Amino acid sequence: EAGVAQSPRYKIIEKRQSVAFWCNPISGHATLYWYQQILGQGPKLLIQFQNNGVVDDSQLPKDRFSAERLKGVDSTLKIQPAKLEDSAVYLCASSSLRTGGHEQYFGPGTRLTVT
Amino acid sequence: KQEVTQIPAALSVPEGENLVLNCSFTDSAIYNLQWFRQDPGKGLTSLLLIQSSQREQTSGRLNASLDKSSGRSTLYIAASQPGDSATYLCAVTGTASKLTFGTGTRLQVTL
Repeated sequence: EAGVAQSPRYKIIEKRQSVAFWCNPISGHATLYWYQQILGQGPKLLIQFQNNGVVDDSQLPKDRFSAERLKGVDSTLKIQPAKLEDSAVYLCASSSLRTGGHEQYFGPGTRLTVT
Repeated sequence: KQEVTQIPAALSVPEGENLVLNCSFTDSAIYNLQWFRQDPGKGLTSLLLIQSSQREQTSGRLNASLDKSSGRSTLYIAASQPGDSATYLCAVTGTASKLTFGTGTRLQVTL
């Protein structure tokens, strides 16, 4: 079974530029999560999708961050415009409702550096 | 609001030592607790998952325990190796399958 795929793995941009990250969850997993992990901290949930609907986006900075999951499979997370404090690793995870949805599987992450 | 604390924040041990990492959480209404390993700048690797009804899980040199009533978990690593050097994260799954992470313990195993 293929794991959660993310791209790109690394990205360096200047502040005020825009950037997009892509995630492909494990096949059949209905729930998809985006996390932000700042250096030295634990991951923080940004947004949770179930199929193509948003379950929780309470910690997503909506003035600059947006995410979508069209067709309930792949997802993209966008930042526009980026700030220095957005430098972090962005992790995507997925879980299956068939197994209760209580175990999340993580992708390798995208490391973003904003200069 | 669930809060997860990990102690110590950093740990350095010589190769071959046994060690214990600690995790505590404030809300005992959890579905499970996971221990993850993270190498610098990389994603998370799940090491052990303990369901709320379980007391411990073992995988190779790793053993994790869970005391839900007291809000504590420990990760025991036997005969540590330099390859064990990484950050170890504890996370609990609560309502709505929400995962709350601790800030991690950064482990260095020296030769």
